[in-house]
Amino acid sequence: KAGVTQTPRYLIKTRGQQVTLSCSPISGHRSVSWYQQTPGQGLQFLFEYFSETQRNKGNFPGRFSGRQFSNSRSEMNVSTLELGDSALYLCASSLMGNEQFFGPGTRLTVL
Amino acid sequence: DAKTTQPTSMDCAEGRAANLPCNHSTISGNEYVYWYRQIHSQGPQYIIHGLKNNETNEMASLIITEDRKSSTLILPHATLRDTAVYYCIVRVEAGNQFYFGTGTSLTVIP
Repeated sequence: KAGVTQTPRYLIKTRGQQVTLSCSPISGHRSVSWYQQTPGQGLQFLFEYFSETQRNKGNFPGRFSGRQFSNSRSEMNVSTLELGDSALYLCASSLMGNEQFFGPGTRLTVL
Repeated sequence: DAKTTQPTSMDCAEGRAANLPCNHSTISGNEYVYWYRQIHSQGPQYIIHGLKNNETNEMASLIITEDRKSSTLILPHATLRDTAVYYCIVRVEAGNQFYFGTGTSLTVIP
């Protein structure tokens, strides 16, 4: 069974731009969660989608948004990028929201 | 918002058991304790989880105290490849959120 895949793996953007990251969960998994990891703040929960609905949201500004499609694939979008948005963005999938399987992450650098 | 406390770092000799402690004194009755590890900025990897009873799988053992206020992850025979940051997480039942704390950086020494 294929694992969680994330694209792209690396991304460089400039301040003010927007970015869209993609996550394909493990086949059959309906829950997708997104996390941001930075050296200063560690791993922080962004949001979780289950069956195309946002089920929970962390404490991030509205510039961070996401969605989930009917095939459970998920995207997250960050608008008006700031230098502080440079981070490793991790996606995790699970069957019902319990045990989570993480992808390799997307390394975003904002210049 | 992390609900767990772990030592910042630990060392363990190769081949010996690594015992990683975690305090979760505010855990509620229906919350599970999960352990993940992260090797060199890869995605975190699931290790084990438990509610009340001790658990064992091919990777590790999880010992949860009777009052559930703390737990210990045991890697029975640590190898160099076990060098990683280990996260102890309490799962919020209602929101399915995982609160990752700062974790314990385990270094296995040859």
